[in-house]
Amino acid sequence: RKEVEQDPGPFNVPEGATVAFNCTYSNSASQSFFWYRQDCRKEPKLLMSVYSSGNEDGRFTAQLNRASQYISLLIRDSKLSDSATYLCVVNAFEASGSARQLTFGSGTQLTVLP
Amino acid sequence: ETGVTQTPRHLVMGMTNKKSLKCEQHLGHNAMYWYKQSAKKPLELMFVYSLEERVENNSVPSRFSPECPNSSHLFLHLHTLQPEDSALYLCASTRSWAGAGETQYFGPGTRLLVL
Repeated sequence: RKEVEQDPGPFNVPEGATVAFNCTYSNSASQSFFWYRQDCRKEPKLLMSVYSSGNEDGRFTAQLNRASQYISLLIRDSKLSDSATYLCVVNAFEASGSARQLTFGSGTQLTVLP
Repeated sequence: ETGVTQTPRHLVMGMTNKKSLKCEQHLGHNAMYWYKQSAKKPLELMFVYSLEERVENNSVPSRFSPECPNSSHLFLHLHTLQPEDSALYLCASTRSWAGAGETQYFGPGTRLLVL
């Protein structure tokens, strides 16, 4: 089983649509969760961290369900510029307390159509 | 501009060549990373350096050889590569290695093609 699993898509949605991405992780010791965005032929960039209580940044809402080991990203009123690949990223701690390195999902590709 | 630069941006090499990838970060960070990104696959962590010491090597073949001369520079030396090594090689840095929730700052990557 993959450590971090995402639906690869592609998701093709019209401008203004609401789209949701899901991600599951296998390591129950995971502590930190992120969504990164990667534009075509560019490097990944942090979009937002995901907190236990859920968090919102403008049109983007991230949620975490620890019991189900699942995180989500909701994009409302999607824009053409939202077209990118969205990477789910998870960080776990070792028993010693030191953080493991980030584990990336394969990404979900989104295309917003005019 | 993320403050992490990589050169070259594109590289084509034969299987018998030797080349090096260079990464430089201008963020004052203490940890640097090499990742490999192949089509339709997740980013694979290759090496981690913290304060110029290698702290992680994820079973990477010896034809990839990292070097970290100081906390701002990271190299990846390549020799006798295989066509399946063709990928995007991304460098990243974080403020520290063991911090929780550290944001990774990526460079633009070197797109490598091995013929």
